[in-house]
Amino acid sequence: AQTVTQSQPEMSVQEAETVTLSCTYDTSESDYYLFWYKQPPSRQMILVIRQEAYKQQNATENRFSVNFQKAAKSFSLKISDSQLGDAAMYFCAYRAPSANSKLTFGKGITLSVRP
Amino acid sequence: GAVVSQHPSRVICKSGTSVKIECRSLDFQATTMFWYRQFPKQSLMLMATSNEGSKATYEQGVEKDKFLINHASLTLSTLTVTSAHPEDSSFYICSATAYLAGGTGETQYFGPGTRLLVL
Repeated sequence: AQTVTQSQPEMSVQEAETVTLSCTYDTSESDYYLFWYKQPPSRQMILVIRQEAYKQQNATENRFSVNFQKAAKSFSLKISDSQLGDAAMYFCAYRAPSANSKLTFGKGITLSVRP
Repeated sequence: GAVVSQHPSRVICKSGTSVKIECRSLDFQATTMFWYRQFPKQSLMLMATSNEGSKATYEQGVEKDKFLINHASLTLSTLTVTSAHPEDSSFYICSATAYLAGGTGETQYFGPGTRLLVL
């Protein structure tokens, strides 16, 4: 069974600085998808970034980028120029390649941003 | 983007009553929707996978007779909590699978959640 591990329960970053959130996973599949979701205090889950395992290039979305290390099964999220609105709970998630597969979530990490 | 709505956003009910939560995909069709439960400061726990036109697939430990799921159309799935008790109080979230233009592939988009309080 696939597992997703987020070992840091909380992190803090100074506004305008850069922070990296860690995530590791375990799977026997060679093709799969990885995601980072953000859940602000409103509790609405928001897709931050998506990575296909077959792509070597790391995904980027504006201030958000990932460091995808397939051999190490590591998928970290880097937030550059942190903003107060980035404060939220962040979840790393894995999905198998078959259509309509479920997501396997990590436990999440609470990110606080200091003004 | 893909928009998923949930109704109601918040519901308070008496113990023993049933509560229905609706999940709608507003601008796309979803053959598969998912229902999650989340406790404060914790991760999402998948309850069941809802497939249009067929029976839902429940995760181990989830009582299918208590949490009834119906996916009658490509844009609507419902979760009914039957004979609700205080321990059913939680935050319930649905998601739907969307294939968006631009080759972004299959992605799950989430509803805003429903806060259920059983007195």
